[in-house]
Amino acid sequence: QLQLQESGPGLVKPSETLSLTCTVSSGSISSSTYYWGWIRQPPEKGLEWIGSIYYTGSTYYNPSLKSRVTISADTSKNQFSLKLTSVTAADTAVYYCARQGYYCGSGGCEQPYYFDYWGQGTLVTVSS
Amino acid sequence: DIVMTQSPDSLAVSLGERATINCKSSQSVLYSSNNKNHLAWYQQKPGQPPKVLIYWASTRESGVPDRFRGSGSGTDFTLTISSLQAEDVAVYYCHQFYSPPYTFGQGTKLEIK
Repeated sequence: QLQLQESGPGLVKPSETLSLTCTVSSGSISSSTYYWGWIRQPPEKGLEWIGSIYYTGSTYYNPSLKSRVTISADTSKNQFSLKLTSVTAADTAVYYCARQGYYCGSGGCEQPYYFDYWGQGTLVTVSS
Repeated sequence: DIVMTQSPDSLAVSLGERATINCKSSQSVLYSSNNKNHLAWYQQKPGQPPKVLIYWASTRESGVPDRFRGSGSGTDFTLTISSLQAEDVAVYYCHQFYSPPYTFGQGTKLEIK
């Protein structure tokens, strides 16, 4: 059974950089049939997609966060990571990592699919 | 961005009765190359991550009870729970994966009447 586990500091000071890592077990992030994404959820609010990465390093980012976000992958450790710079209280949220299916056929590649496996999430609070 | 709008925001249904949640996208999420609606439904219980129930608008994820049914096409979609059980109390989200930025509805909170 695929498992994803987020890790990183639970408290970040305003203006600093939030850094999280997602460790994948019982599956490989180097698979050609998956993207790997980050989604966040402020307390008592809805879900916001942050961005997704393919094992080759190809990324999609949410334009609303793009100037502050970097997602990277370390295939040797079977991990992918999120960095969010210049954080404010508005970045306080539960951060989830998740897997997206992906298909490329003779006609080309489709967009990554829905999120089928999720980590348990980690709460990151931005406060001094 | 594709805006996903759910209705209602909250819903109270008696045990054994039907629950219906609607989701409208600001543009069609029907992908012409595969003739599939790039629309999923998730269930989120307190303290847990979302769990996918339905994808391609109407395909039930493995292990999901058949009382959960997804329908619709283009811009209008519905999640129906045919006979509400106590364990179905949760927040439900629709999600479009047609084009980035991938977006979610605001959520519908389902409770027992």
